[in-house]
Amino acid sequence: QVQLQESGPGLVKPSETLSLTCTVSGYSISSGYYWGWIRQPPGKGLEWIGSIYHSGSTYYNPSLKSRVTISVDTSKNQFSLKLSSVTAADTAVYYCARDLGAAAGGNWFDPWGQGTLVTVSS
Amino acid sequence: DIQMTQSPSSLSASVGDRVTITCRASQSISSYLNWYQQKPGKAPKLLIYAASSLQSGVPSRFSGSGSGTDFTLTISSLQPEDFATYYCQQSYSTLITFGPGTKVDIK
Repeated sequence: QVQLQESGPGLVKPSETLSLTCTVSGYSISSGYYWGWIRQPPGKGLEWIGSIYHSGSTYYNPSLKSRVTISVDTSKNQFSLKLSSVTAADTAVYYCARDLGAAAGGNWFDPWGQGTLVTVSS
Repeated sequence: DIQMTQSPSSLSASVGDRVTITCRASQSISSYLNWYQQKPGKAPKLLIYAASSLQSGVPSRFSGSGSGTDFTLTISSLQPEDFATYYCQQSYSTLITFGPGTKVDIK
């Protein structure tokens, strides 16, 4: 059974860099699939941030691209998110998920991690 | 960007009701449309992918249809555990976008 778990600081100061890690169990990232990050501001909808392949190939939401870096560490079976120059608007629950559909030409996410709330505040 | 809209934004229904949620794309997305269910405090759960394919383990009372710009998610007989918010998501574009959600609550 594939499981994903987000980890990282729950509080980040404005202008600093948000860093999160997603640890995957039950499946080797090296075996394939894209892996993604999605966020959800409190009480609002879902926003895709970006995705990465085990080879390191990435694609990002253009609205965040200048501030986002997603990387993968296959030796630890983890992938990570860095979002720079954060503001209060980046306060959200951040989810990691496996992109099951990329190999079929679409993108659908399953499973998801439980999510982690990151608050941007001084 | 491909904009996704959903209607209604919320609905009240009773156990046993047939429920239909509509998702519309701002341009044709072929069948690149997925549906998720989210309960309060929980991560979204994939229900339907590629417009009409039922994800493994999802009850058969859930079904999806449509292509192009108009899509529907149908729950044939609403169960107590189905009260949740439902999101559509398009992947036709490399910019993946979600609809605003439809909240289904108890009448």
